[in-house]
Formats: sequence, structure tokens, C-alpha cells
Amino acid sequence: EAGVTQFPSHSVIEKGQTVTLRCDPISGHDNLYWYRRVMGKEIKFLLHFVKESKQDESGMPNNRFLAERTGGTYSTLKVQPAELEDSGVYFCASSQVVRGGQYFGPGTRLLVL
Amino acid sequence: GEDVEQSLFLSVREGDSSVINCTYTDSSSTYLYWYKQEPGAGLQLLTYIFSNMDMKQDQRLTVLLNKKDKHLSLRIADTQTGDSAIYFCAESIKAKLSFGAGTTVTVRA
Repeated sequence: EAGVTQFPSHSVIEKGQTVTLRCDPISGHDNLYWYRRVMGKEIKFLLHFVKESKQDESGMPNNRFLAERTGGTYSTLKVQPAELEDSGVYFCASSQVVRGGQYFGPGTRLLVL
Repeated sequence: GEDVEQSLFLSVREGDSSVINCTYTDSSSTYLYWYKQEPGAGLQLLTYIFSNMDMKQDQRLTVLLNKKDKHLSLRIADTQTGDSAIYFCAESIKAKLSFGAGTTVTVRA
């Protein structure tokens, strides 16, 4: 069974540009989560989808971030326009049920110059 | 509140046991997790424990939970070089995970 995959693995962009990150969860997992770790800080929750619905987006930092999960399969996280403080590693995770463990992808390393 | 704390570094000799400690603050947490991150890789779910349990053992891994003190520990028996990684403790609050800063474990020969 394939794990959670994320694309791209790395992205280097200039301040003000737009970047879109993609996450493909484990097949059959209705729950999909986005987290990020900015330099020197803890891994922080961004949001949680159940199928295509946003269940909790309390961790989204501001309206420059837009997450979608059309059709309840893969998800995208768009940052527009990107700022320097957005640099970090963006993780996606999925789970079959809410309790019992979330399975993480390898992350996308974003660098905003 | 959401505040998970871990010591940042642990150095252990190969073959010895490693103990990584974690404290959390939210008494409503129902599950507590340990994740492992190797260099350049994502987070690997190692094990988790339900909050009504005191201990869980899985091969070389033993998780101890003291709910009264909100203290969680991960013991790795017979530590190997492949155990060198960053270990994250996390508590679940509703569906979201709240992570500690991670403990970097270095295994020396």
C-alpha cells in the first residue's frame, strides 16, 4: 500500500510569488491534515479535511493560505503571495479514523527568498 | 492549552537503553503519540497509547504514561545506530496533533 505522497519535495520561490503544494493521502483515508514546521519552531497544525469538507482550519495563519480537497481525494495548499516567514517544511498526513494515528508524508521543503 | 515539552538532545551508547521524556498540558488528550524522523525523511508513526493505559510495549519500544503528572516516556531497548533520529512526542486534541520540539537522539559506538 502506498503511503502519503507530497509534491514537490522542494520548492524555492521569490517573495511575492505563488506556490501550490500537493498531497495524495493513503487510499481510503477520509481524513487529511496539513501541518508545517517553520525554522526553529514546533510542527504546527494548519487544517483538517474530512473528505472534501474543512473540519478545522484554526491553524491557518492568514488568508494568503488556501487549502482545497476537491472530490475528497488529493489536496492542494496554495500560498499566495508567499512571504519570507512562510519558509519551512509542509507536511501532509492522513488517517482512516480520527483517533489512532496519522500517517505523514515526506514533506515539502519551501524556501522563500 | 497546547504545550508539549521535550528535552532537545540525548546521546546514548550503542546497546544501551534510551529514554526520551515528554510532558504535556492538555488533560483532555485521549491519545499520545511518538513519531520518528530520520534525516531528510517524513514523520514515521512509531507507537501511540490511549490515555487510560499506563504502559504499552511493542518489541524494543516501551511507552509509559503517567496521566496524573502528564508525563510520557519512550524507552528504546538495545539502542542501535539506526535509532539515531529526531523523536517527537504529540498529543491529540480533538483531531489535531500538538507536537513537542523533538528530541535528537545520537547513538555513539
